[in-house]
Amino acid sequence: ETGVTQTPRHLVMGMTNKKSLKCEQHLGHNAMYWYKQSAKKPLELMFVYSLEERVENNSVPSRFSPECPNSSHLFLHLHTLQPEDSALYLCASSQHGTGVTGELFFGEGSRLTVL
Amino acid sequence: KNQVEQSPQSLIILEGKNCTLQCNYTVSPFSNLRWYKQDTGRGPVSLTIMTFSENTKSNGRYTATLDADTKQSSLHITASQLSDSASYICVVILYGNNRLAFGKGNQVVVIP
Repeated sequence: ETGVTQTPRHLVMGMTNKKSLKCEQHLGHNAMYWYKQSAKKPLELMFVYSLEERVENNSVPSRFSPECPNSSHLFLHLHTLQPEDSALYLCASSQHGTGVTGELFFGEGSRLTVL
Repeated sequence: KNQVEQSPQSLIILEGKNCTLQCNYTVSPFSNLRWYKQDTGRGPVSLTIMTFSENTKSNGRYTATLDADTKQSSLHITASQLSDSASYICVVILYGNNRLAFGKGNQVVVIP
């Protein structure tokens, strides 16, 4: 148990569906992240929220829409996805100080399959 | 070309044997280097964190080394167990902007 909980663990959706991934952290951290992990590729940073404000968006397609209502919760809203978006989506949190990236604590991931 | 290269890509070892995983990086300057273990279907879990001034750090049967001059790190697993079967990911944190550069991982399979 890492203190970061992701739901659902598995999701299958069609290209016209709308779904959301949820992440909750119980560690009191002030930064949360979404990463995409595809087979045989390094983790790709998608979004970073620090103190509930989005500080980085790594040129992610608009079909992915993040939401961070408070420091403990992070969502990734999905719509009109493509089959190549099938991957493991990992949420992480850290305690972000001035100029310091704290240790990342990852959730178990949401395995997404787009048909 | 990825800034963090790991080798071997995959490795099969007998239970009880030792193995060493390599991480070469090109990012500079860096703040610290981390090794994560990721079990199949799970999220990565931190094993070690080393700053540029540290040469070695241990976590149980895992020992990480760092040579900042040659920009190489290694993760040594001693007396491997079946539970060591996982992907081991090397991560380099850039100094200044704190961006993370991830390797693709070393896939280790321990067989009885």
